[in-house]
Amino acid sequence: GAGVSQSPSNKVTEKGKDVELRCDPISGHTALYWYRQSLGQGLEFLIYFQGNSAPDKSGLPSDRFSAERTGGSVSTLTIQRTQQEDSAVYLCASSLGFPSNEQFFGPGTRLTVL
Amino acid sequence: AQSVAQPEDQVNVAEGNPLTVKCTYSVSGNPYLFWYVQYPNRGLQFLLKYITGDNLVKGSYGFEAEFNKSQTSFHLKKPSALVSDSALYFCAVRDSNTGGFKTIFGAGTRLFVKA
Repeated sequence: GAGVSQSPSNKVTEKGKDVELRCDPISGHTALYWYRQSLGQGLEFLIYFQGNSAPDKSGLPSDRFSAERTGGSVSTLTIQRTQQEDSAVYLCASSLGFPSNEQFFGPGTRLTVL
Repeated sequence: AQSVAQPEDQVNVAEGNPLTVKCTYSVSGNPYLFWYVQYPNRGLQFLLKYITGDNLVKGSYGFEAEFNKSQTSFHLKKPSALVSDSALYFCAVRDSNTGGFKTIFGAGTRLFVKA
């Protein structure tokens, strides 16, 4: 079956512009996660959704970052007024609806802010 | 708050030798523990997990991990390393007490297996 997909795969933008990153989870997965991975580094937790709700937004780096999920499926991560330090790979993952379930990751979106 | 430590940035092993990649964690309640692997130019893949029960869990590609509650550790092991095991390995934890899905990953350990 289809895995987690993310678009675009690469995004180059200018400092100060807004960007939207999209994630399509595996069908039937009620939990969805966003992470940020800087070059060769670990994964930084950003936010997770259970259904359309985001119970914990504590990982979002600043108020320039926001995320939403609609219909219990597609999610969009929006970064406003991008800064060079936002350059990273943004990973999306999804899982079934229990915290004991493992995550399935998408290929990521590589964001470069010039 | 939960946290994960992977004390080694890099582990070097000769092919055929056993390997260990270390992970320690901190949670307020009981942990759910996971190992993921990231091969070059490929996405993150799940290897194995500990939820409850037997402290030794087995996963994909011949890997296993041992949960040690007293030492708050969950080290990844393989009896005989392959060159193809060379990759970036991440340990991750969730706190079962919070009931949520927030997952904290370690910084990763790069494994090099030399032929």
